Amino acid sequence: AQKITQTQPGMFVQEKEAVTLDCTYDTSDPSYGLFWYKQPSSGEMIFLIYQGSYDQQNATEGRYSLNFQKARKSANLVISASQLGDSAMYFCAMREGPMDSSYKLIFGSGTRLLVRP
Amino acid sequence: GAVVSQHPSRVICKSGTSVKIECRSLDFQATTMFWYRQFPKQSLMLMATSNEGSKATYEQGVEKDKFLINHASLTLSTLTVTSAHPEDSSFYICSAQTRAEAFFGQGTRLTVV
Repeated sequence: AQKITQTQPGMFVQEKEAVTLDCTYDTSDPSYGLFWYKQPSSGEMIFLIYQGSYDQQNATEGRYSLNFQKARKSANLVISASQLGDSAMYFCAMREGPMDSSYKLIFGSGTRLLVRP
Repeated sequence: GAVVSQHPSRVICKSGTSVKIECRSLDFQATTMFWYRQFPKQSLMLMATSNEGSKATYEQGVEKDKFLINHASLTLSTLTVTSAHPEDSSFYICSAQTRAEAFFGQGTRLTVV
């Protein structure tokens, strides 16, 4: 079974509007973490935001916020006020188990976002 | 923030030769580094976990004799693709982690001709 599911292979958004990228996960471990990365065409992986399973509040980082719904096992990324430079591939990833430096990340299949001017 | 440097960013090699890719953590020590492979328009697939001072742990289906990993110091891990073939052409990317964040190298685009 897929551990991380991103159901939107591609998304369009108009510049300056908000967009939500979906991510659902599957784990039985009570301790886990969820990450979102942006990958532009250059290939680098840019860390955007992190949500721990025990965090009480939804994570926010500038224009990025994470809509964490634990009971539904979803961790959707919300990008507000989209910019042309936001056009890229976006990956959701999950860490299972304790937060030490040796955890593995499991990646979703990604969503390609295109921001229209 | 922490930086991971990966080199080279692009390499073209002839079939049958070996290629070495380096991954360095620049401002923190990484006892564990990870190597991923990414085919075009696909996600990152973990190949192996590189452990400083010990043997790497490979994911199922990854040939350890094909993809040699050495983690000789707390800041350097290397991946050597041995006897490369065209099907090994891919984007390889490393990462090193702290407790709260995973930092990725810039990636290496390998083309085997």
